[in-house]
Amino acid sequence: KQEVTQIPAALSVPEGENLVLNCSFTDSAIYNLQWFRQDPGKGLTSLLLIQSSQREQTSGRLNASLDKSSGRSTLYIAASQPGDSATYLCAVPAYTGANSKLTFGKGITLSVRP
Amino acid sequence: EPEVTQTPSHQVTQMGQEVILRCVPISNHLYFYWYRQILGQKVEFLVSFYNNEISEKSEIFDDQFSVERPDGSNFTLKIRSTKLEDSAMYFCASSVAGTGFSGANVLTFGAGSRLTVL
Repeated sequence: KQEVTQIPAALSVPEGENLVLNCSFTDSAIYNLQWFRQDPGKGLTSLLLIQSSQREQTSGRLNASLDKSSGRSTLYIAASQPGDSATYLCAVPAYTGANSKLTFGKGITLSVRP
Repeated sequence: EPEVTQTPSHQVTQMGQEVILRCVPISNHLYFYWYRQILGQKVEFLVSFYNNEISEKSEIFDDQFSVERPDGSNFTLKIRSTKLEDSAMYFCASSVAGTGFSGANVLTFGAGSRLTVL
């Protein structure tokens, strides 16, 4: 059974700092991994989808990497801003198949201090 | 940018009442899902729907739950007799071509419907 872990649960950094959010998963037979952002009381916004054939995926100040063999992904945020404050969740398909559900981590709540 | 629309944004109901949560997925998407998130807990899968039938349902999705795609645009989640533990944020999601294969597309979520059962 796929398990996704995100540690730490919360992180507070000063504005401008570069930071790395970690995600680990137990079953490395995945085809992709998706990072989401969730603002308090809101829905999930997809940030990056990284395919297993890719090592990295970039969007603006965000860069996601995927290492299937070690069961890890990282989300790198460059030059963090107060507007980046949110919860960041990673999710992987539970199994191979078009209809596969996603298994989510509990998320990392990021606070960027001005 | 196309989005998944959910209504209502917040519903308060009495225990034992029926609730219908509505979703309008992105128009060219073929795979539909409901997830929920109890306050402070992980986002968890409820049900997936493709080609007008349920593809998979979790152990949470018991006989009290049902889904329907009554027309070409709406996708609904019905809870027949709500319980206190059904209080959660319910998310509808859709994708063009599913999630668990190489080349899979982004799963797009709606803003959620917060259900409070008293």
